[in-house]
Amino acid sequence: DIQLTQSPSSLSASVGDTVTITCRASQSISIYLNWYQHTPGKAPKLLIYGASRLPSGVPSRFSGSGSGTDFTLTVTSLQPEDFATYFCQQSYVTPPWTFGQGTKVEIK
Amino acid sequence: QVQLVESGGGVVRPGGSRRLSCAASGFSFSAYGMHWVRQAPGKGLEWVAFIFYDGTEKNYGDSVKGRFTISRDNSNNMVYLEMNSLRPEDTAVYYCAKVMKAHDTNGMDVWGQGTTVTV
Repeated sequence: DIQLTQSPSSLSASVGDTVTITCRASQSISIYLNWYQHTPGKAPKLLIYGASRLPSGVPSRFSGSGSGTDFTLTVTSLQPEDFATYFCQQSYVTPPWTFGQGTKVEIK
Repeated sequence: QVQLVESGGGVVRPGGSRRLSCAASGFSFSAYGMHWVRQAPGKGLEWVAFIFYDGTEKNYGDSVKGRFTISRDNSNNMVYLEMNSLRPEDTAVYYCAKVMKAHDTNGMDVWGQGTTVTV
């Protein structure tokens, strides 16, 4: 199975900051990497698919990059609603559809 | 609009069974594969099961294989998760999610609010 390792596990930031989260795959997954945002009590939300593509309705302050084994999610000009946990997930070799362990973005 | 609504959660004794349901609306349900994903208290997201759009193929995570069964009713826009031999470690919020594109398996673009199972 492909393993996904996110870093950091958590970070503290202020409104207006830029944050970067990385996701490393245990083997190449081309660009079959998706990012989700999860706020407690809410449904997880797809933020990025295909490593860098934004679904309709996702603000442009979210961006993704990478291919192969190394991927990055960047959030520029952090907003109050962005404080959440972010998960990467691969769809290259399935089953299983594996998730990273998550990165919690907290208010500094 | 596209919506998924889970139901069926509750408190179950170890070794017991429970059936979760997910009602879909706002899209051509019979064209989309569906997932169940769970989140245990204090843990991350764990993929549980997937069913192809036409129900011909089903996949399960290792932790639930042989105990859980995913199924769907395309006539009524429903997907189910039958859970047997439940263990305390199955305690989690269970989400259903649809794949992004018809007849595909990549990405989960719409999720329900989740239903909580406590074992």
